[in-house]
Amino acid sequence: SQQGEEDPQALSIQEGENATMNCSYKTSINNLQWYRQNSGRGLVHLILIRSNEREKHSGRLRVTLDTSKKSSSLLITASRAADTASYFCATDAGDGTASKLTFGTGTRLQVTL
Amino acid sequence: DTGVSQNPRHKITKRGQNVTFRCDPISEHNRLYWYRQTLGQGPEFLTYFQNEAQLEKSRLLSDRFSAERPKGSFSTLEIQRTEQGDSAMYLCASSLGPRNTGELFFGEGSRLTVL
Repeated sequence: SQQGEEDPQALSIQEGENATMNCSYKTSINNLQWYRQNSGRGLVHLILIRSNEREKHSGRLRVTLDTSKKSSSLLITASRAADTASYFCATDAGDGTASKLTFGTGTRLQVTL
Repeated sequence: DTGVSQNPRHKITKRGQNVTFRCDPISEHNRLYWYRQTLGQGPEFLTYFQNEAQLEKSRLLSDRFSAERPKGSFSTLEIQRTEQGDSAMYLCASSLGPRNTGELFFGEGSRLTVL
């Protein structure tokens, strides 16, 4: 089953614009992670934010986490055509077992020139 | 290349045949995961290993599916009597573990097409 739901399902922007993707989840978490997947390829880890953190930056990426609303957002600034990919949020069990990640349904981002 | 390696990358088979996928994780990683991904969906958890021990299996993993990690290194995922609904990308990932669920390192996946 999918833990998270990304919104929007698809996003099309022009190069240089910012892209914002949202993720909602259902249960308590220890951390939330964002991954990127190019078409037909494996997933690549982008950033991890812990449950006691509210915001984190990595290069052109900014992630926020609101545990009271069980939601997160990923902002990609000054987007490039190479950012075209699907983006997934993933959460851990949050029950102390440190077991698996559960992925959301993904946002397909298209960046045009 | 010291990343996660999966073989074969593509497999086309007829319904009813058995298939086996192999995953070689990053060498120092204790944890190994199998996920399944269908078109337009996120990866769905199938099973994971801590060293050679299989610690959790999803209900998605029917009795036609079996996974092993015999010496705590590479892993195999076998699907017996394949069905068309098994067509998907099978993703393997590894991580350091076990203290927390940190970053997963994924392979490129094995795409299965059942005719």
